[in-house]
Amino acid sequence: QSVLTQPPSVSAAPGQKVTISCSGSNSSIGSYYVSWYQQLPGTAPKLLIYENNKRPSGIPDRFSGSKSGTSATLGITGLQTGDEAEYYCGTWDNSLSNVVFGGGTKLTVL
Amino acid sequence: QLQLQESGPGLVKPSETLSLTCTVSGASISSSRYYWGWICQPPGQGLEWIGSIYYSGTTYYNPSLKRRVTISVDTSKNHLSLKLSSVTAADTAVYYCVGGRAQDIAAFDYWGQGTLVTVSS
Repeated sequence: QSVLTQPPSVSAAPGQKVTISCSGSNSSIGSYYVSWYQQLPGTAPKLLIYENNKRPSGIPDRFSGSKSGTSATLGITGLQTGDEAEYYCGTWDNSLSNVVFGGGTKLTVL
Repeated sequence: QLQLQESGPGLVKPSETLSLTCTVSGASISSSRYYWGWICQPPGQGLEWIGSIYYSGTTYYNPSLKRRVTISVDTSKNHLSLKLSSVTAADTAVYYCVGGRAQDIAAFDYWGQGTLVTVSS
């Protein structure tokens, strides 16, 4: 059971937009920055979003992040088959004194 | 370009200590710009943070692993190390060496390729 709650799977057609939610608590998302990671099959995760909505160099602006209260959302526009991956959110949880992650969301591009 | 590379045994016996090393290239491991750490991922499962260490030497550990984990740095070799004692089959996982910006302990910019460690007799 993950501390942060994500939907197990989402799907959309190529070219469409999809959002992935990440729900936490006051002691986690409600108080700290959220990061998002993309894990392609058989590879290490890659940072997509940090500090809720910032993209590292090289991450296309098709990827966006937002946060409101104790929830965060990752948005992906112009879906491509290469976006098929597992996506994880992460943050610090002060009540647990722990870096916590969501259980992951598998994105399928139909 | 900052790169991380894990190394260590791929097989560890139950009750023994898992030891991994991460070679950091492209940055000084003692730089105040970064922190370093380890994350594991059991087969077919999600990510679990093990712990992190700052340039000052301050360490932060996952409370559920704290009594078994030691993370340290060797500045002379620009290496990061992980020791996990009293391992069981539940510790079988891919172990990633990670690095991130000092301002946010939960933002991991840099990842090694990962190394699979199996705990079995």
